[in-house]
Amino acid sequence: DIQMTQSPSTLSASVGDRITITCRASQTINNWLAWYQQKPGTAPKFLIFKASSLESGVPSRFSGSVSGTEFTLTISSLQPDDFATYYCQQYHSYPLTFGGGTKVEIK
Amino acid sequence: EVHLVESGGVVVQSGGSLRLSCAASGFTFNDYTMHWVRQLPGKGLEWVSLISWDVDTTHYADSVKGRFTVSRDNSKNFLYLQMDSLAAEDTAVYYCARDRLPQVRGGAVFHSWGQGTLVTVSS
Repeated sequence: DIQMTQSPSTLSASVGDRITITCRASQTINNWLAWYQQKPGTAPKFLIFKASSLESGVPSRFSGSVSGTEFTLTISSLQPDDFATYYCQQYHSYPLTFGGGTKVEIK
Repeated sequence: EVHLVESGGVVVQSGGSLRLSCAASGFTFNDYTMHWVRQLPGKGLEWVSLISWDVDTTHYADSVKGRFTVSRDNSKNFLYLQMDSLAAEDTAVYYCARDRLPQVRGGAVFHSWGQGTLVTVSS
């Protein structure tokens, strides 16, 4: 199985900050990586596919990038609505696997 | 607008069985691979199973293989998850989710999600 390791597990930041979340795959996944946002008590929301392609309707302050097997989600200017938990997910092979999540909280 | 509504989550005893349902609307159901994803209380996400749009392909997580069975009724726009030999570690919110693109095999992202249904397995 492909292991997805996310870091940090918690991130404290302020409105307007630029933040990055990292997800490392245990083997090559050829950019088959997605990102999701989840707020307490609600279902996850799909943000990014193929490592860097923004889903329609997702604000442009969100972006994804990749270097080898290390993937990054960046929020360029954190907004109040962005405080949530973020998950990466690989879809290179089965079983489909998620990272452990990064909780973005208010500093 | 895509609308997915799960149901069937209850408290069940360890070793018992349960069938979850997911009612789909707002899209051509028989064109999309569908998934079950679960979230243990206070924990992260775990993919459980998928079934292709044409019922030709199913996949399962190792943790549920041999105990859970995914199915669908394309005439009624319903997705199902039959859960047998339930254990405490199956306690979770179960979400159904739709794939991003129609009629795509292999790999998947979870484009649209239901609100989830809570399954509690008591010992």
